[in-house]
Amino acid sequence: QPVLTQSSSASASLGSSVKLTCTLSSGHSGYIIAWHQQQPGKAPRYLMKLEGSGSYNKGSGVPDRFSGSSSGADRYLTISNLQSEDEADYYCETWDSNTRVFGGGTKLTVL
Amino acid sequence: QVQLVQSGAEVKKPGASVKVSCKASGYTFTSYDISWVRQAPGQGLEWMGWISANNGNTNYAQKLQGRVTMTTDTSTSTAYMELRSLRSDDTAVYYCSVRGTHWGQGTLVTVSS
Repeated sequence: QPVLTQSSSASASLGSSVKLTCTLSSGHSGYIIAWHQQQPGKAPRYLMKLEGSGSYNKGSGVPDRFSGSSSGADRYLTISNLQSEDEADYYCETWDSNTRVFGGGTKLTVL
Repeated sequence: QVQLVQSGAEVKKPGASVKVSCKASGYTFTSYDISWVRQAPGQGLEWMGWISANNGNTNYAQKLQGRVTMTTDTSTSTAYMELRSLRSDDTAVYYCSVRGTHWGQGTLVTVSS
């Protein structure tokens, strides 16, 4: 079963860019992941699916400021031109034939 | 558009059971699995299991085996998650999700004596 590792926190200034990382465990570097955003007090919101090739497919209504990329076992979520509403928890998720697993989440603070 | 509407908040005593519903609309209900995910206060997301809305097959997280049952009612496009022998650490917001791309609004279950 894959394991996903995320940094617990990140911060960046309003209007700048930030790159969040999700790392797949050994032997699972080819897995597709999904990124979800959870604003305070709200349900998670699907952002995108991201393949090991770096190809990604965003959900409906997700702003162009959100993009994905990959390198080896690492999957990245880049948010450009940070807005105050981007302050949220960000979770990566992956799955196999039987289970789904989430990373521990990264709390993003917009300064 | 896909919508998942969950039942309201519940307060239960330790040892009791709770059944949360998730009514789906905007797609063919039997086309996709439904997953259940929970989030304890201040904690991350925890996958609980999934059910095939097509044939009722299920797969549950190992730590919940024996206490959780997921079912569907295709006549009403509704999925259900029942959790038994509730403990204080089952206090959480419970979410349903379809395709991993759409989420319900969440149902707060509080377990307290």
